[in-house]
Amino acid sequence: QKEVEQNSGPLSVPEGAIASLNCTYSDRGSQSFFWYRQYSGKSPELIMSIYSNGDKEDGRFTAQLNKASQYVSLLIRDSQPSDSATYLCAVLGQTGANNLFFGTGTRLTVIP
Amino acid sequence: DAGVIQSPRHEVTEMGQEVTLRCKPISGHNSLFWYRQTMMRGLELLIYFNNNVPIDDSGMPEDRFSAKMPNASFSTLKIQPSEPRDSAVYFCASSPHEISPLHFGNGTRLTVT
Repeated sequence: QKEVEQNSGPLSVPEGAIASLNCTYSDRGSQSFFWYRQYSGKSPELIMSIYSNGDKEDGRFTAQLNKASQYVSLLIRDSQPSDSATYLCAVLGQTGANNLFFGTGTRLTVIP
Repeated sequence: DAGVIQSPRHEVTEMGQEVTLRCKPISGHNSLFWYRQTMMRGLELLIYFNNNVPIDDSGMPEDRFSAKMPNASFSTLKIQPSEPRDSAVYFCASSPHEISPLHFGNGTRLTVT
């Protein structure tokens, strides 16, 4: 079982819709969770971090964490074509920086 | 803030040649990471340094790979000899502390023929 699992997609949504990206992880002791956005040919950039159960909102982005279900998600409201990218879920386990695992990413396409 | 700087951006080399990738982390960041990204395996941690000291190199594929951080502003990842299966994008990332979010460089796309 992989440490972090994501649906590879592609996920296509129309412009203005809500895009929902999901991630599950295996280490129940994980404490820190991150969402990175990676445009084609570019490097990953951090867009959200979440550390406690519940929702965290930042502009059009909302991260949701449920540690009991070992599940973290990212919602993008009012999706724009510029949101088209691969979204990487990253989970930091208990033992430190060498225990930061990335999912393989979900490719999102927002259709104008 | 110039961000994490990697060089070269692209490297094409023949099997058996030595390859050296370079990284300058963000000033003041204490932790530096080398990752490899492929379509099949995604982002994999190769090695990370904290305060210039290698902490965990268990992700280094084999003895052909080595990494150094001689000072707080410079790190290298060397592959000798290179093989076609080493073809990937290699990212360097830095963070203020070991468990802080990472700031990635632009990556080096390595092609070994």
